Amino acid sequence: DIVMTQSPDSLAVSLGERATINCKSSHSVLSTSSYRNCVAWYQQRPGQPPRLLIYWASTRESGVPDRFSGSGSGTDFTLTISSLQAEDVAVYYCQQAYTTPYTFGQGTRLEIK
Amino acid sequence: AQLVESGGALVQPGGSLRLSCAVSGFTVDSNYLSWVRQAPGKGLEWVSVILLAGSTTYADSVKGRFTISRDSSKNMLFLQMTSLRTEDTAVYYCVGSSSRGLGFDFWGQGTLVTVSS
Repeated sequence: DIVMTQSPDSLAVSLGERATINCKSSHSVLSTSSYRNCVAWYQQRPGQPPRLLIYWASTRESGVPDRFSGSGSGTDFTLTISSLQAEDVAVYYCQQAYTTPYTFGQGTRLEIK
Repeated sequence: AQLVESGGALVQPGGSLRLSCAVSGFTVDSNYLSWVRQAPGKGLEWVSVILLAGSTTYADSVKGRFTISRDSSKNMLFLQMTSLRTEDTAVYYCVGSSSRGLGFDFWGQGTLVTVSS
């Protein structure tokens, strides 16, 4: 199974500042058929289901604010929030969609400092 | 697109339960559909997927006990769960992927399954 490891487990950032969450996969998740990295990022606010933010490592889902961006390739990926807003308080998960079993990172809890 | 789960309940260890997911906005045989669960206070765990051609795959933790299926005439997804264990206690989400490798772009609100005596 591909293991997805996020860092840090929790993060406190001041409003308006940058937040960076990292995700490392135990194997490459680059699809040789599509040449896309099959990594997704989700936001889960308290009491709500997760929401897709980023797919194929760097493509922003429709309706997601442009302060959210994804980067990386191979085995190392990053979610960046360029200017933290109060509504960004949530738990963030990375996921590999390359092969089953589809696996998630353990989650990163983002709070306001 | 909208996904609405139902069927969650309190069940005793060793019991069975069938979860349903009513799908609207797309047809169940035009998207990859999965079940993802989340134990109380824990992270996300993928459970099972049914692919466009109808083939299925399961997490090792549920293989042989859970069965995913779909009904195109009703546009619904199901998860038949047997031999339930306390560690199966979780919110179960019905999720959809519009393209393979993309991740899950559609999520239901979830239904709670509690396995306890």
